[in-house]
Amino acid sequence: DQQVKQNSPSLSVQEGRISILNCDYTNSMFDYFLWYKKYPAEGPTFLISISSIKDKNEDGRFTVFLNKSAKHLSLHIVPSQPGDSAVYFCASYNQGGKLIFGQGTELSVKP
Amino acid sequence: NAGVTQTPKFQVLKTGQSMTLQCAQDMNHEYMSWYRQDPGMGLRLIHYSVGAGITDQGEVPNGYNVSRSTTEDFPLRLLSAAPSQTSVYFCASSYSSGGNTIYFGEGSWLTVV
Repeated sequence: DQQVKQNSPSLSVQEGRISILNCDYTNSMFDYFLWYKKYPAEGPTFLISISSIKDKNEDGRFTVFLNKSAKHLSLHIVPSQPGDSAVYFCASYNQGGKLIFGQGTELSVKP
Repeated sequence: NAGVTQTPKFQVLKTGQSMTLQCAQDMNHEYMSWYRQDPGMGLRLIHYSVGAGITDQGEVPNGYNVSRSTTEDFPLRLLSAAPSQTSVYFCASSYSSGGNTIYFGEGSWLTVV
């Protein structure tokens, strides 16, 4: 029972173009969402978050959009750089206060 | 500035053996947790603790035991290792549950043969 879902296991993008990573959730009570980035052989690191009172949050090249009616969020990276190549996880807190993650999307940015 | 430290980084176990994955943090965080990462499954919560002496189960607790005798340490014990426990394990800590200030260790790669 995956409450946070990332249906694309991988994404390949050309350097300089936009990367769009998608995430869906099942519980409309979820009200805070996070994106984590993970390089091989390292632990995940926090990237950006969004509260359900907003529909957009921006931090430099990274923007997260939240569509509550569709229970969907997306992470946009513009422009994409080779150093952005990593696995990206979306996550949210369930009603028990536990942080739950999606399956992850592996982004490859090609020079 | 150690953050969250996990040991060992790599371990091979035989089926039925027991072992402990160590996790220590030096940030005086109350909240600590263990996740496992498997292909196509993302990160799944095994056990967590909201403070010394308090632990609770996550999504996939079977086959694992935890204790929290100090604020700094949160070891994960595999009681009788099974091949299904082959995974990468991550320890995490934060000041409290909620928010975005969650710090992960670098991971422990465990193979059960």
